[in-house]
Amino acid sequence: NAGVTQTPKFQVLKTGQSMTLQCAQDMNHEYMSWYRQDPGMGLRLIHYSVGAGITDQGEVPNGYNVSRSTTEDFPLRLLSAAPSQTSVYFCASSYYSSGSYGYTFGSGTRLTVV
Amino acid sequence: KQEVTQIPAALSVPEGENLVLNCSFTDSAIYNLQWFRQDPGKGLTSLLLIQSSQREQTSGRLNASLDKSSGRSTLYIAASQPGDSATYLCAASESGGYNKLIFGAGTRLAVHP
Repeated sequence: NAGVTQTPKFQVLKTGQSMTLQCAQDMNHEYMSWYRQDPGMGLRLIHYSVGAGITDQGEVPNGYNVSRSTTEDFPLRLLSAAPSQTSVYFCASSYYSSGSYGYTFGSGTRLTVV
Repeated sequence: KQEVTQIPAALSVPEGENLVLNCSFTDSAIYNLQWFRQDPGKGLTSLLLIQSSQREQTSGRLNASLDKSSGRSTLYIAASQPGDSATYLCAASESGGYNKLIFGAGTRLAVHP
């Protein structure tokens, strides 16, 4: 049971390059989300999905795209990388049961844009 | 807009001490309040979740309380151990719609032998 798997773990991009951060979960969770974590700040929500084919914006969506064609996968695309997107990115899956939500987070992708 | 603040930002204590981590939030209309643990280079692990209708939750040496009226939650760690060293994050979730988590910046805890 792998939980939430994020790839790659580390990545260095040049300004203007594009890339996709991969996220996969094997728990059949309905909900998935992407957060970024910057030094001295809490995690901030980028995009989220409440089911296959349904996505929505979070707090800091600019510069990122997402899609969810299957329950298992929720990739995050950086369209044209900027130094401000240097951060640690976390993918999470969650489910709703008995009035509460259970979360599982991936181990993160550390992205540096130069 | 909900804002979550955690105090202190860092804490260093000797092994065996009982300690309290604080979390405050600006909007009392939360759905629930969660505490997470983050180890270096790792993801977040959920520790305790308190529903908005509850006052506290306990798991082993951990006890979390919630006071919506004052916008505060505390995480109490009893008899701290070096293995408790980590960053502790609290997150408030919004009512209605998707369960968006609003995180504090965390408290970095070091427990030394």
